[in-house]
Amino acid sequence: DAGITQSPRHKVTETGTPVTLRCHQTENHRYMYWYRQDPGHGLRLIHYSYGVKDTDKGEVSDGYSVSRSKTEDFLLTLESATSSQTSVYFCAISADRPNEKLFFGSGTQLSVL
Amino acid sequence: SQKIEQNSEALNIQEGKTATLTCNYTNYSPAYLQWYRQDPGRGPVFLLLIRENEKEKRKERLKVTFDTTLKQSLFHITASQPADSATYLCAREEQTGANNLFFGTGTRLTVIP
Repeated sequence: DAGITQSPRHKVTETGTPVTLRCHQTENHRYMYWYRQDPGHGLRLIHYSYGVKDTDKGEVSDGYSVSRSKTEDFLLTLESATSSQTSVYFCAISADRPNEKLFFGSGTQLSVL
Repeated sequence: SQKIEQNSEALNIQEGKTATLTCNYTNYSPAYLQWYRQDPGRGPVFLLLIRENEKEKRKERLKVTFDTTLKQSLFHITASQPADSATYLCAREEQTGANNLFFGTGTRLTVIP
């Protein structure tokens, strides 16, 4: 998947616990994104990054934070997980222009009980 | 808000025929539209990007059109094969220079042998 690794692939956690999902790329791409995918909603942007320490909110950012301290790593944190955050989370990268020709990771299935 | 709709949730087609998928958008006309393929349990894979000044774009058996008058993009797969069975997503930018990419909910294509 274009040199993108998401970890973990699956996680089950309890409401109220913190959760961190990791996205690691080996492509040296500038732009990175976190999406969630839910039935009936399609992919929705949570946060994005245009470079190291340059991040911003997307459409559904409430309850999520991100960090990018290195080009290759983009972390998504759920500070206090809720059941509504049960979803499949995808990391994506793009090289030349933001939002064009995204390459996606394999996803993380997160279940919050 | 800028929306994008894929009217058909599912499309069944006989092997060898041409599959045509539709993507409609509202309000602001995007500078480009993108099409992705998604297989079960996997992340989306970028297929084609068409810009507003391009009427048509081709890649092997794939063809995309962009009609700014109808506010519509059509995605064609000619000589369809069972291996083409997947969910196909279209995506548009929120507006020029904005940082959100809106995805449709997808059309699940099944090619029957």
